[in-house]
Amino acid sequence: AQSVTQLDSQVPVFEEAPVELRCNYSSSVSVYLFWYVQYPNQGLQLLLKYLSGSTLVKGINGFEAEFNKSQTSFHLRKPSVHISDTAEYFCAVTQYNQGGKLIFGQGTELSVKP
Amino acid sequence: DAGVIQSPRHEVTEMGQEVTLRCKPISGHDYLFWYRQTMMRGLELLIYFNNNVPIDDSGMPEDRFSAKMPNASFSTLKIQPSEPRDSAVYFCASSLAPGYNEQFFGPGTRLTVL
Repeated sequence: AQSVTQLDSQVPVFEEAPVELRCNYSSSVSVYLFWYVQYPNQGLQLLLKYLSGSTLVKGINGFEAEFNKSQTSFHLRKPSVHISDTAEYFCAVTQYNQGGKLIFGQGTELSVKP
Repeated sequence: DAGVIQSPRHEVTEMGQEVTLRCKPISGHDYLFWYRQTMMRGLELLIYFNNNVPIDDSGMPEDRFSAKMPNASFSTLKIQPSEPRDSAVYFCASSLAPGYNEQFFGPGTRLTVL
């Protein structure tokens, strides 16, 4: 069975500082990995995804993530955050041939302060 | 396209009443997912459909929950009878293909059962 662990439930950071949101997964087979963002009172939207190939994936809004197979991690980073990045971030995993059945982590609340 | 449409956006009902949540996926998407989000359990997949056929309903909590997709442009999630522990935000999402394509989420229905 798959699982996803987001290591930090809350991450406070000052504007223009770098940030890293951590995600570890467990699976006995190869997986696809995703980061979604949820702004207050909205649904989720895709930030980026890893399918195969280059382990460094770039997404929207200046975010990027690095897939590390040996450490089973998929950490999300941004070199300089803005107030508008304040939101909840979810890491998710699905196996090949799982019909898009996503398993989500518990979420990390990113709070960017001026 | 208007995106995934859910109705109602908010629903307040009393314990024991029947609740019906509605979803219109993005036109042309052949996968539809229902999720439930709570503080305690996070984001959980309840059921998903492919070409209007339920594929995996292992996340449906119990017999009080049922979901249908009578055609490609409409799905319902019904709870009968409702209980206070069903209070949550319910999301519908749709996608073009499984596994690696982006799931587009609706704005959610916030259900409160008194």
